[in-house]
Amino acid sequence: GQQVMQIPQYQHVQEGEDFTTYCNSSTTLSNIQWYKQRPGGHPVFLIQLVKSGEVKKQKRLTFQFGEAKKNSSLHITATQTTDVGTYFCAADNYGQNFVFGPGTRLSVLP
Amino acid sequence: NAGVTQTPKFRVLKTGQSMTLLCAQDMNHEYMYWYRQDPGMGLRLIHYSVGEGTTAKGEVPDGYNVSRLKKQNFLLGLESAAPSQTSVYFCATDRGLSSNQPQHFGDGTRLSIL
Repeated sequence: GQQVMQIPQYQHVQEGEDFTTYCNSSTTLSNIQWYKQRPGGHPVFLIQLVKSGEVKKQKRLTFQFGEAKKNSSLHITATQTTDVGTYFCAADNYGQNFVFGPGTRLSVLP
Repeated sequence: NAGVTQTPKFRVLKTGQSMTLLCAQDMNHEYMYWYRQDPGMGLRLIHYSVGEGTTAKGEVPDGYNVSRLKKQNFLLGLESAAPSQTSVYFCATDRGLSSNQPQHFGDGTRLSIL
């Protein structure tokens, strides 16, 4: 079946440093979603990418969909303590249910 | 407007006991999902429903049953709880009109099986 991997599993950064997490699928995707889960909370939808090579920005967050639509990345510029949490990608394999990656847990040291 | 409400929030069961988790939504969404979340494994789909009266198996359905008798409610049942079912359970909903709808999650149910 479809496998979705995320790297790294954990990332510790100093406040102000940049952060990137990568999501890789074993199959070509129709679209991909990103979610953020704060400690003790529930996943919250951030964004969806649909087009090959698409890049979207939300303030300090930049999301990119690979040209082959098999991978995606989330980059945070100048991290803040409010960025702490686990970031999940969720991959849609053309109409089948979304498959969530294992997540990248981000810690930001003040 | 509550969104997605899960009850109970916490529960401790003994092996072999049964229980039902309730998910209620007031967003008039068609699709509803039950996930379990375990450390390092992300969210895994247990069962889902694409509309009232329908259910389907997800990635890890064994040991669970579901029902969607009303559009706004999606119930997850454990007939005979096992320690391996200790997890955090999340319900999610989406509009279901196409494959690219964002999912809205409840706050989760933390379930421990002793």
